[in-house]
Amino acid sequence: DVKVTQSSRYLVKRTGEKVFLECVQDMDHENMFWYRQDPGLGLRLIYFSYDVKMKEKGDIPEGYSVSREKKERFSLILESASTNQTSMYLCASSWEGGQVNEKLFFGSGTQLSVL
Amino acid sequence: AQKITQTQPGMFVQEKEAVTLDCTYDTSDQSYGLFWYKQPSSGEMIFLIYQGSYDEQNATEGRYSLNFQKARKSANLVISASQLGDSAMYFCAMREGKDSSYKLIFGSGTRLLVRP
Repeated sequence: DVKVTQSSRYLVKRTGEKVFLECVQDMDHENMFWYRQDPGLGLRLIYFSYDVKMKEKGDIPEGYSVSREKKERFSLILESASTNQTSMYLCASSWEGGQVNEKLFFGSGTQLSVL
Repeated sequence: AQKITQTQPGMFVQEKEAVTLDCTYDTSDQSYGLFWYKQPSSGEMIFLIYQGSYDEQNATEGRYSLNFQKARKSANLVISASQLGDSAMYFCAMREGKDSSYKLIFGSGTRLLVRP
């Protein structure tokens, strides 16, 4: 089975801190994604990566950056955390190709609270 | 405009009954894919079922079926014989075929509660 592992289930940070959310997948997937989940808004794409060192902005990239130095690892970085970044963050991965039937495999999420 | 619309924020169903979760979508692409995911309280998103825009038959996976009405642009999820373990958030999602797009676009979700 595909395993997508997010390093923390719960995280509490202070405003202005630099925050790293880590995600690792074990199935040699080409594509990795970071989504943010908020009540009533569903999941919104922050960034994705289709290859090592490659990244693309999603729908809400402001205030975030990403790093993919190795194929299996995709990091989400909050340069200066703010209270409006309190949310559930979900990492996902998928095979290459961008086919319409390609499903995403998700991690269990990180609930981030910024105080 | 919303690409994926789920109009039911929350729903109840009695155990062993069937329930339909609504999803409508908006796209001008001819080729697209529709997905349903389940999110239990543990947080992980679990893939349930997939329907391609060119598929002539409605998709089924065990107790899950997708009622695909292309002209109406709807892709409702039907869960038959509900179980207590079906209580969760359910998300409808779409991938459009243009530009070899990688991303899934999600709806706002429906919280389902199964009553014993």
